[in-house]
Amino acid sequence: DIQMTQSPSSLSASVGARVTITCRASRSISNYLNWYQQKPGTAPRLLIFAASTLQSGLPSRFSGSGSGTDFTLTISSLQPEDSATYYCQQSYNTPPLSFGGGTKVEIK
Amino acid sequence: EVQLVESGGGLVQPGGSLRLSCAASRFIFSNYWMHWVRQAPGKGLVWVARIRGDGTSTEYADSVKGRFTISRDNAKNTLYLQLNSLEADDTAMYYCARGPSGSGWSSFDYWGQGTLVTVSS
Repeated sequence: DIQMTQSPSSLSASVGARVTITCRASRSISNYLNWYQQKPGTAPRLLIFAASTLQSGLPSRFSGSGSGTDFTLTISSLQPEDSATYYCQQSYNTPPLSFGGGTKVEIK
Repeated sequence: EVQLVESGGGLVQPGGSLRLSCAASRFIFSNYWMHWVRQAPGKGLVWVARIRGDGTSTEYADSVKGRFTISRDNAKNTLYLQLNSLEADDTAMYYCARGPSGSGWSSFDYWGQGTLVTVSS
């Protein structure tokens, strides 16, 4: 099974800050990497698929990069509504379609 | 827009059973893989099971294999998850999520609101 490791597990940043979340796969997954955002009490929603493609209708301040084993999610200018937990997920080796442990983003 | 609505959760004793349903609408249900993903209270997301659009292929996480069964009724646009031999560790919010159609990219692009399963005596 492929293990997904996210870091940090939590962070706090000011509005307008640039935020980067890292996700590492236990072996190469090419670009088979998706990112999700989950706000408290709600279902997750797809943010980015294929490592770097922004889901339709979402703000361009979100971007993804990486290939192989190392990936990043970047929020270029953090907004209050971005307070949430972010998860990476690999879709290379199925099953299981494993998720990272999550990164909780808080606003200072 | 795509809609997924789960139901069937509740309180059940250890060793008991439950059947979850996910009613789908506003897309051609039979064209898409469908999944169940769960989240224990305060914890992360865990993939549980998936089923192909025509229902001919299913796969499970090791933690539920032999106890849970995923199925679908394409005439009713409904996805199911039968949960048997429930354990305390199965306590979680259960989400249904849409997967790809055909050779489309594998991700969970739409999610239901979830249904809570609590296993406790």
